[in-house]
Amino acid sequence: GAVVSQHPSRVICKSGTSVKIECRSLDFQATTMFWYRQFPKQSLMLMATSNEGSKATYEQGVEKDKFLINHASLTLSTLTVTSAHPEDSSFYICSARTDGNTEAFFGQGTRLTVV
Amino acid sequence: AQKITQTQPGMFVQEKEAVTLDCTYDTSDPSYGLFWYKQPSSGEMIFLIYQGSYDQQNATEGRYSLNFQKARKSANLVISASQLGDSAMYFCAMREGRSGFQKLVFGTGTRLLVSP
Repeated sequence: GAVVSQHPSRVICKSGTSVKIECRSLDFQATTMFWYRQFPKQSLMLMATSNEGSKATYEQGVEKDKFLINHASLTLSTLTVTSAHPEDSSFYICSARTDGNTEAFFGQGTRLTVV
Repeated sequence: AQKITQTQPGMFVQEKEAVTLDCTYDTSDPSYGLFWYKQPSSGEMIFLIYQGSYDQQNATEGRYSLNFQKARKSANLVISASQLGDSAMYFCAMREGRSGFQKLVFGTGTRLLVSP
């Protein structure tokens, strides 16, 4: 299957700082990328969907000014958690798909801890 | 209303036995797709199997098969000959429509524990 690389896998940051998470499709062009958040022992909740070159579409209740998503190329999307607080600590995971494909491929996920 | 329902928070199975993980869904869209993913403790989401709403036959992928009952809106995952490495969280997901972003909606998951 196609490979999606997410970096970093783990990050610890201080409260008030910003953290950037990268999601790269290594062997295909990702026309659409999805960002999910997963709290411990819970399901994946979609945060936003982005198409290359256009603004992300955020799900209800997700603050777009806090979770900045950039999909500048067909192989890279970034999620920046701005002014992080302890309640932002979570597992963030991206997935990518290309037009015409059934499946979306997931990155390895990023475990964010805000202290 | 929940679009994807997984009623089993946890399941136990003995090695080499078969196990069925339940999933029911709710949609009024005639075109949809159903997915099963495995999430081990490391966190990555591993695609297991896919069933399209118009597929005539139940999907199979190695030891995984999907028991698709369209009229009952169920898409249960059957794992045959369970292995210790099958212990993980399993998520059922649905994608609606043929156009647009086609985002996935996930169920709450089932934790499977395979014992020796």
